[in-house]
Amino acid sequence: DTAVSQTPKYLVTQMGNDKSIKCEQNLGHDTMYWYKQDSKKFLKIMFSYNNKELIINETVPNRFSPKSPDKAHLNLHINSLELGDSAVYFCASSQDSGGYEQYFGPGTRLTVT
Amino acid sequence: RKEVEQDPGPFNVPEGATVAFNCTYSNSASQSFFWYRQDCRKEPKLLMSVYSSGNEDGRFTAQLNRASQYISLLIRDSKLSDSATYLCVVRGGSYIPTFGRGTSLIVHP
Repeated sequence: DTAVSQTPKYLVTQMGNDKSIKCEQNLGHDTMYWYKQDSKKFLKIMFSYNNKELIINETVPNRFSPKSPDKAHLNLHINSLELGDSAVYFCASSQDSGGYEQYFGPGTRLTVT
Repeated sequence: RKEVEQDPGPFNVPEGATVAFNCTYSNSASQSFFWYRQDCRKEPKLLMSVYSSGNEDGRFTAQLNRASQYISLLIRDSKLSDSATYLCVVRGGSYIPTFGRGTSLIVHP
């Protein structure tokens, strides 16, 4: 009965590959997010979707493409992976795009070699 | 000035101590404020929301000072299990959430 789940938990891949991370929430929330936490532990928002519509798109290379097939799912596809993409990627959800608290998934640790 | 600033610490305190963290924010239009806790190699978990009137949850007290643009977290009677990184989150007028870099707390016996 995990509230926000992500797969895979670990991802090791080579430079230049394309990979996807999946996220699902069963909280009935309207809004979902992708965050990147780098080696310095700084947590930075990348994207947010509200009811399948993109509402936040921070300065992220266009190699990163989010996709929300429905409001319970938000996936992240990354093309042409680079060494600097190595990080932990967290998915989160909140009731809506207003000032509500967010609930995080367990994270996906991506290592690019 | 960074949008959300926290003293990275670490704060090294003995069990039973009282410790306080501050978090300053630059956007005066900020609407929502939260404290999260993050353990090593784990996801951030909501500790508490911060209300204008201040709020308390057991040993934890959060306060908001809009005039000086900071929020605070007070932990009383520290436990070993309180050792973690404490992240403040501020949501501005557009509700984009911005995290601080976190304050590390180490509680020792």
